[in-house]
Amino acid sequence: GAGVSQSPSNKVTEKGKDVELRCDPISGHTALYWYRQSLGQGLEFLIYFQGNSAPDKSGLPSDRFSAERTGGSVSTLTIQRTQQEDSAVYLCASSLPDRGEKLFFGSGTQLSVL
Amino acid sequence: QQPVQSPQAVILREGEDAVINCSSSKALYSVHWYRQKHGEAPIFLMILLKGGEQKGHDKISASFNEKKQQSSLYLTASQLSYSGTYFCGTEIKHGIQGAQKLVFGQGTRLTINP
Repeated sequence: GAGVSQSPSNKVTEKGKDVELRCDPISGHTALYWYRQSLGQGLEFLIYFQGNSAPDKSGLPSDRFSAERTGGSVSTLTIQRTQQEDSAVYLCASSLPDRGEKLFFGSGTQLSVL
Repeated sequence: QQPVQSPQAVILREGEDAVINCSSSKALYSVHWYRQKHGEAPIFLMILLKGGEQKGHDKISASFNEKKQQSSLYLTASQLSYSGTYFCGTEIKHGIQGAQKLVFGQGTRLTINP
């Protein structure tokens, strides 16, 4: 596709349920990022991938959060046993792998945990 | 690791100037600037790669003081379309050559009134 695609655009779930958020980056972009943005807040770094490898997972808030990337393309962010504090917009971005390459953001997934 | 932005919010009248600052406690390899409008994904403004480098387009420019680990974004003769939240992102070199981890500040909310 022409841009970064995220699905679903909105997700409402009940506390305790698991959710999967999907990101389809721009073709050829080997770097992929996940950020979380709570209402009116900044961009909280979660994890980034270089190819299928995640050099830095330090931003994941707890062990309920995990992410994977297959084939150097699509990435899935999984949140297990969701809590109300997980409610936020989850943004994915991709870029070419070199230093100084700009990020292209998807439109995000609005997650609401009831 | 998160850079610090100041001010947190600015309210201007159309035609006035603004400066947004970004500082880091870590050595900066590059600084990115993005703008996000309400309900939309962040969009790229510019990247500064070298100390002292200044970039700009139209009436938006930025400088990068590598020694002071600071960057500033300058908005001149602001237009209504400049309203939004501005984020600086700092690149931290990590592991694999070419790989980057981009961490954003908390954002500066800019409101331009007629």
